[in-house]
Amino acid sequence: DGGITQSPKYLFRKEGQNVTLSCEQNLNHDAMYWYRQDPGQGLRLIYYSQIVNDFQKGDIAEGYSVSREKKESFPLTVTSAQKNPTAFYLCASSIRDSAYEQYFGPGTRLTVT
Amino acid sequence: GQQVMQIPQYQHVQEGEDFTTYCNSSTTLSNIQWYKQRPGGHPVFLIQLVKSGEVKKQKRLTFQFGEAKKNSSLHITATQTTDVGTYFCAGYMEYGNKLVFGAGTILRVKS
Repeated sequence: DGGITQSPKYLFRKEGQNVTLSCEQNLNHDAMYWYRQDPGQGLRLIYYSQIVNDFQKGDIAEGYSVSREKKESFPLTVTSAQKNPTAFYLCASSIRDSAYEQYFGPGTRLTVT
Repeated sequence: GQQVMQIPQYQHVQEGEDFTTYCNSSTTLSNIQWYKQRPGGHPVFLIQLVKSGEVKKQKRLTFQFGEAKKNSSLHITATQTTDVGTYFCAGYMEYGNKLVFGAGTILRVKS
């Protein structure tokens, strides 16, 4: 069953802690993306990667970090430097680049208190 | 910066009524994609439009891409309760390899 998995679905952390969100795909897609969704603001791009061991900042990369050591995996770390980390985080992939349709994972809802 | 504006932000219709959401870009788009997100779910790809003036249909859904490739619309005929959710447009800008999402239109359907 091909697709994108994100875990966990819900995550709770205390302020000041780093937290890593998992994203795995078995679609053999080259490109992967991380978005943040807040109510009424649509999807904002955090980071994207078009190839293993390479990634680029999106529009709101401050306070986040990523790695792409394997084609299938693109974990996102929300650091303590991110001022408003509470949000719904969506991972996506596409066969090559942003010109192609994106397949989204189920998302992780992060709450930081 | 590059922006994709989407209106309305919210629409509440009676079941059976039509619904339309509009997207406008500040720059010419290479293509436009449409996604639907059900409440509590994740965005799911609906369609991609590439050509100037293109019109595509999926059952009760009609998608249009403007002649100047700066605007697009999604029209749903005779809405059903299964249509509820948020509809996003996303414009692909070839320069910078960037997909920019609109803020989405939330559709609620009263039965």
